[in-house]
Amino acid sequence: EAGVAQSPRYKIIEKRQSVAFWCNPISGHATLYWYQQILGQGPKLLIQFQNNGVVDDSQLPKDRFSAERLKGVDSTLKIQPAKLEDSAVYLCASSSAQRQETQYFGPGTRLLVL
Amino acid sequence: SQQGEEDPQALSIQEGENATMNCSYKTSINNLQWYRQNSGRGLVHLILIRSNEREKHSGRLRVTLDTSKKSSSLLITASRAADTASYFCATDSGTYKYIFGTGTRLKVLA
Repeated sequence: EAGVAQSPRYKIIEKRQSVAFWCNPISGHATLYWYQQILGQGPKLLIQFQNNGVVDDSQLPKDRFSAERLKGVDSTLKIQPAKLEDSAVYLCASSSAQRQETQYFGPGTRLLVL
Repeated sequence: SQQGEEDPQALSIQEGENATMNCSYKTSINNLQWYRQNSGRGLVHLILIRSNEREKHSGRLRVTLDTSKKSSSLLITASRAADTASYFCATDSGTYKYIFGTGTRLKVLA
C-alpha cells in the first residue's frame, strides 16, 4: 500500500510570494489533515477534511492560507502572501473511516521564507 | 495551542538502557497516542491508549495513562541507536482532531 505522498519536498521563496503544496493521501482514506510544524515544536493542526468537506479550520490563518480537497482525494494548501514566520515543515496526514484514530503522515514539505 | 507538554525536552542515554518520557495534557481526552519522528521526516504512529485503559504494551514500548493526573508516560526498554528520534504525544477529545505536544528529543548513544 502506497503511503501519503507530498510535493515538493523543499521550497525556498521570498516573503510576500505565494506557494502551494500538494498532498495525495492513502487510497480510500476519507479524512485528510494539514499540519504546520515549526522547528523545535510539535505539529499544529491547520485544517481537517472529511471527504471534500472541511471539518475544522479554526487554526488556519485564513487571511493568507487556503486549502481545498477537490473530489475528496488530493489536497492543496496555499500560502499567499508568505511571511517569514511561515517557515516550517507542512505535514499532510490521512486516516481511514474504519480506523479514524490512526493517522498516516507524509514526509512533509520544508518551506523556507527569506 | 499545544495541549500536551512532554518531559523531558531532551534525553540522552546509552544503548541498552531504558528511556522514559512523560506527557501532560490539559483537557479530557478520548484517547492518547504516541508518535516518533526521525530527523527531517514525517511522523510514525507508535501506540494508542484509550481513556478507559491504564497500560498498554507493544514490543519494547510500554505506555501508561493516568486520567486523574492528565498524564501519560512512554517507556522504551533496551533502547537501540535506531530509537534516536523525537517522540510526541497527541490527544484526541473525541472529534479525531489531534493536538500534539512539544516533543522529547531522545538520543541513544552506541
